[in-house]
Amino acid sequence: DTGVSQDPRHKITKRGQNVTFRCDPISEHNRLYWYRQTLGQGPEFLTYFQNEAQLEKSRLLSDRFSAERPKGSFSTLEIQRTEQGDSAMYLCASSLFGVAGNTIYFGEGSWLTVV
Amino acid sequence: GENVEQHPSTLSVQEGDSAVIKCTYSDSASNYFPWYKQELGKRPQLIIDIRSNVGEKKDQRIAVTLNKTAKHFSLHITETQPEDSAVYFCAASRDNNDMRFGAGTRLTVKP
Repeated sequence: DTGVSQDPRHKITKRGQNVTFRCDPISEHNRLYWYRQTLGQGPEFLTYFQNEAQLEKSRLLSDRFSAERPKGSFSTLEIQRTEQGDSAMYLCASSLFGVAGNTIYFGEGSWLTVV
Repeated sequence: GENVEQHPSTLSVQEGDSAVIKCTYSDSASNYFPWYKQELGKRPQLIIDIRSNVGEKKDQRIAVTLNKTAKHFSLHITETQPEDSAVYFCAASRDNNDMRFGAGTRLTVKP
């Protein structure tokens, strides 16, 4: 078990391009979360899955953002038609919901810079 | 939805002193309150958490207290060391659903 892994760790893209981030949660974790963090701020909730079901999406998540977890394991977060305001670190996290004391573990994050 | 406020935004203490960070939450149904430490450029890491059925929890130099009636909880770090310098985030959620984070406290421990 190597923890939550995210790929790529850094991405620079031109405004208007699409980008996709991948997250591999800790194996057997049934919940997977996506957060966005900008400098000097706390992680901002975007969405989360339980197995393959997307249970909640933040109202802040515009329709340019889409997340999937097709087989209940890894997840992808796609941003279409990127804007400079999308520049941030995108954090993935996972947990084993249903177990007492379950903890949310974060990945190292994927840094996005839109130029 | 849940709203978490955190104070202070920055905190500077001398090595060996105590540090206290406070958070308030809005959703009375929230029942899980973790604290994360984040060093520059790294992932947030859980340092301690508390559930709504207890009022206080300690782990060596770190303690968290929870006041459900007032809807606030605090992180206490005693005998601070330079390696405690980081950004600390509180969070609140109901059953680990959509966990909401505070804006963070930048703690600096001066040697």
